Formats: sequence, C-alpha cells, structure tokens
Amino acid sequence: GAGVSQSPSNKVTEKGKDVELRCDPISGHTALYWYRQRLGQGLEFLIYFQGNSAPDKSGLPSDRFSAERTGESVSTLTIQRTQQEDSAVYLCASSKRGGGAVGELFFGEGSRLTVL
Amino acid sequence: GQNIDQPTEMTATEGAIVQINCTYQTSGFNGLFWYQQHAGEAPTFLSYNVLDGLEEKGRFSSFLSRSKGYSYLLLKELQMKDSASYLCAVLDSNYQLIWGAGTKLIIKP
Repeated sequence: GAGVSQSPSNKVTEKGKDVELRCDPISGHTALYWYRQRLGQGLEFLIYFQGNSAPDKSGLPSDRFSAERTGESVSTLTIQRTQQEDSAVYLCASSKRGGGAVGELFFGEGSRLTVL
Repeated sequence: GQNIDQPTEMTATEGAIVQINCTYQTSGFNGLFWYQQHAGEAPTFLSYNVLDGLEEKGRFSSFLSRSKGYSYLLLKELQMKDSASYLCAVLDSNYQLIWGAGTKLIIKP
C-alpha cells in the first residue's frame, strides 16, 4: 500500500510474554520512528532509524525493549517479558531524508497492545 | 533541556475561531510542525513553518516567531469534526522532532 503499515493492529498478551510489532514504512522513506502513546497522553519517543542504523535509542524505556530495521524497510519492535505498564498504542512513522522534510511524518494506524 | 509547551485543553464553539499557542525551547531550530490527532487515530500532518510569519491553508493557519520561540495554530469557521488533539513539534539542530503533549480541542454546538 501507499501508507505506513503496522501489524498487528491489536495484540492482547499475558504478562511475561514477548511480543513483536512490525512496521512497513512508505517506500523510499529512509527515516523511521517508533513512538508509544498511552491513553489520553502525548507521544513518547522510543527510537529513530536513519536507514538501517539507529542513531537515537534514547527513548527505549528499558532493556526489555529492542528494535531493528533491515533493508531500509521493515522494522520490528520487540518487547520481552511484557508488563502491564507496557499497555499502550505503539505508533510507527516514516519520513523522507533531508532538511525539514524529515519532520513531516507519516504515521501508521498503530498497534494497540494490552498486557493482562 | 528541550521543552515544548501548549495548553492541555481548549473549548470553542462551532463556527467560531480558536487559536492554539505553542512555545518552545530547543537545541537549535529547523522548523515547527502542527499535527492533528483524532481520538483513536494516528496523527496527521497539518503544517510546517521554518520562516517567521503566517502560513495559510484553507481554514487553518500557522504562525511562527523564531525570536520569541512561539507559534500558534489558528482554526477558523470551526466544525464539529475539528474536535481533536493538536500536537506541536519542533525539529531541533540534530533534525530530531521534539513533541509537545498536545492540546485537546473540544468543539461545542
């Protein structure tokens, strides 16, 4: 498709299980972002990829969180040993390289994670 | 530290005009963005300002003053569908986006 695609759209899991969230950015967009958004709250930055490298991982909340990107395309966000506090919508966004265009983000619909 | 401030919530009447303010303190500046986010949906891009002044796009306008670290989003002829959160974000010197917490706009008939 033409937009940013995320899967799964909804995920319910039990505390302690691992989950993997996938993001397929717009073709040709070299920058890719992961954000977390809890109900009624603002965007919480997690990680940023430029190509396949992650120059900024400062937002990852703990070592249970990791992300990778391959082929300047698909990215996966993995949360190990999930906790109830991980329940949120995880948003992926992509943008073109270069100047102010980097700030025009195209968001996916998000993956809603519920940890029981 | 880097900081973006905007009001938490605003209420306005259908057909009226509302101005949502945003002030920022960031490490450098490479542009300011406004996004709209309807409840339960992803944010969508509204506007981008990098030079001082007013950018108009239909019913929505965005203003920037770099010397004051200030921007506003102006919404005219408000419609019920404009009820949403409006997010202000600044691109810093490292081309990283710094986000405000968002302003929830409630439109009343």
